[in-house]
Amino acid sequence: EVQLVESGGGLVQPGGALRLSCVASGITVSDNFMSWIRQTPGKGLEWLSIIYSGGSTYYADSVKGRFTISRDNFKNTVYLQMNSLRAEDTAIYYCARDDMGGGSYGDWGQGTLVTVSS
Amino acid sequence: IQMTQSPSSLSASVGDRVTITCRASRSISNYLNWYQQRPGKAPKLLISGVSGLQSGVPSRFSASGSGTDFTLTISSLQREDFATYFCQQSYSTPSWTFGQGTKVEIK
Repeated sequence: EVQLVESGGGLVQPGGALRLSCVASGITVSDNFMSWIRQTPGKGLEWLSIIYSGGSTYYADSVKGRFTISRDNFKNTVYLQMNSLRAEDTAIYYCARDDMGGGSYGDWGQGTLVTVSS
Repeated sequence: IQMTQSPSSLSASVGDRVTITCRASRSISNYLNWYQQRPGKAPKLLISGVSGLQSGVPSRFSASGSGTDFTLTISSLQREDFATYFCQQSYSTPSWTFGQGTKVEIK
């Protein structure tokens, strides 16, 4: 059974930074396409970033230059480093696996809440 | 690519046939996925590639469409189907986008 468990969310001031973690079990993250997706009441679901099995990374324009996705193969963990945070980054952040390699997400974590506020 | 769902919410009764529409701002062939989200839970993939029903998803769920216009149909609404449904295009790799969601509520 695939399990993805996010952590690292919390309250941060505008301009601050936060690192989210996604620990995977039942899969090897380095063999998979892993993404971060966030959800807000206002903007709905927004795909943010992906790290492919080969290591290539891509970002949505809204976070490019501020967020960095990475992974630690030994810890079987995917990270999202978030810098220069803004109020509009307030959301629930999900780690998700593209289990078929076609851009559909069959496995999701439970989400971690990030609140950007002074 | 922008994805627009309609309606944004609907009220229906158990046993009703429910149809949700998703429109893409340009052609996405059949690269369209549907998710169900219950309150406080992560989205769950129901159907991928328009008609690929995921394992364990009841056959009352079906989807159709191609190009820019797509539908998700629940043939006979059950109590556990009251949730929010999202479409997502996986055509524009790797810049996937979701619809804004359709909330299915109990009448």
